[in-house]
Amino acid sequence: DIVMTQTPLSLSVTPGQPASISCKSSQSLLHTDGKTYLFWYLQKPGQSPQLLIYEVSSRFSGVPDRFSGSGSGTDFTLKISRVDTEDVGVYYCMQSIHLPVTFGPGTTVDIK
Amino acid sequence: EVQLVESGGGLVQPGESLRLSCAASGFTFSTYAMNWVRQAPGKGLEWVSAITGSGGGTFYADSVKGRFTISRDTSKNTVYLQMNSLRADDTALYYCAKSLPGYSYGKNDYWGQGTLVTVSS
Repeated sequence: DIVMTQTPLSLSVTPGQPASISCKSSQSLLHTDGKTYLFWYLQKPGQSPQLLIYEVSSRFSGVPDRFSGSGSGTDFTLKISRVDTEDVGVYYCMQSIHLPVTFGPGTTVDIK
Repeated sequence: EVQLVESGGGLVQPGESLRLSCAASGFTFSTYAMNWVRQAPGKGLEWVSAITGSGGGTFYADSVKGRFTISRDTSKNTVYLQMNSLRADDTALYYCAKSLPGYSYGKNDYWGQGTLVTVSS
């Protein structure tokens, strides 16, 4: 199974400041079709996960442009350019190149 | 608007069975793969199973293979998860999640609110 790791596991951010979360996979997520199957989700308190970023860097419909994803191969980063109070929750990276689909352990983001 | 509504959760004893349902609306159901993802209390996300849009392909996590069966009924726009031989470590909130267009598993865009399964004697 592909193991996903995230750092840090928790992050406390001042509103308006940037934040960054790293995700690393135990194998390359680059498929032979040329796509890289790395996804980012946010689970706000008491809610179901919501898709933020798909295929490394594509923002899902309705996601604010302060969220951006980057990376390749096995190393990926989610950046929030200016954290808003509504961004609190747990951020998960997920790989879907190989079964079983696996998630990172999650990074909890709260507001200072 | 895409909506996924799970039902069927509850409290069962170890070894018993339960069938979860996920009613979908707001998209052409037969076109998209569907998944079940679970979250144990206070824990992270664990992918459980997926089924292709046609229903011809099914996929399972090793932890549930041989005990759980995923299926779908296009006439009812519903995906099911039949769970047999339930164990305490199956206790979790079970989410139904739709896949992005063109994919057979994972790559989830929309998620339901979940249904809670508790396995305890």
